[in-house]
Amino acid sequence: EAGVAQSPRYKIIEKRQSVAFWCNPISGHATLYWYQQILGQGPKLLIQFQNNGVVDDSQLPKDRFSAERLKGVDSTLKIQPAKLEDSAVYLCASSPGDTDTQYFGPGTRLTVL
Amino acid sequence: SQQGEEDPQALSIQEGENATMNCSYKTSINNLQWYRQNSGRGLVHLILIRSNEREKHSGRLRVTLDTSKKSSSLLITASRAADTASYFCATDAIRGSTLGRLYFGRGTQLTVWP
Repeated sequence: EAGVAQSPRYKIIEKRQSVAFWCNPISGHATLYWYQQILGQGPKLLIQFQNNGVVDDSQLPKDRFSAERLKGVDSTLKIQPAKLEDSAVYLCASSPGDTDTQYFGPGTRLTVL
Repeated sequence: SQQGEEDPQALSIQEGENATMNCSYKTSINNLQWYRQNSGRGLVHLILIRSNEREKHSGRLRVTLDTSKKSSSLLITASRAADTASYFCATDAIRGSTLGRLYFGRGTQLTVWP
């Protein structure tokens, strides 16, 4: 069974630029999560999708972050414009339902200069 | 905050020794999970323990849960250099939270020396 795929693995941008991350969850998983993990901290949930609907985006900085899940499968997370404090690893995870084990992708390491 | 908090922040041991990491949390939970993260990688699920369970085993891993103290421990027996990683506990919350949402602590950095 293929795992959660993410791209790119690394991205370096300057502040005020835009960036987008892509995630392909495990086939058949209804729930998809985006996390932000700042160096030295645990992952923090940004947004949770159930199929293609948003379940929880309370921690998403909506003035600069946006996310969508097309047809309940792939998802993209966008930052526009980026700030220095957005430097972090962005992790995508999926699970069959909403109370199951979450399976994580390798993450995208974003550096904002 | 509903986050779990791991203790200690860092742990350094020799191969063959046992490693114990603790997690404390604040609100009532449905389940508690432990994840491992190797440097530069995503998180790997290790074990899930439900609120009505007190102890669970998986290979060299033993997890305990004490809901009265709102705490859990992860024991890795006969540690190996390959166990070097960060270990996170993650809790859900029964009330006041989206179903399935997990709260992660800051993690324990375990280093196992050959």
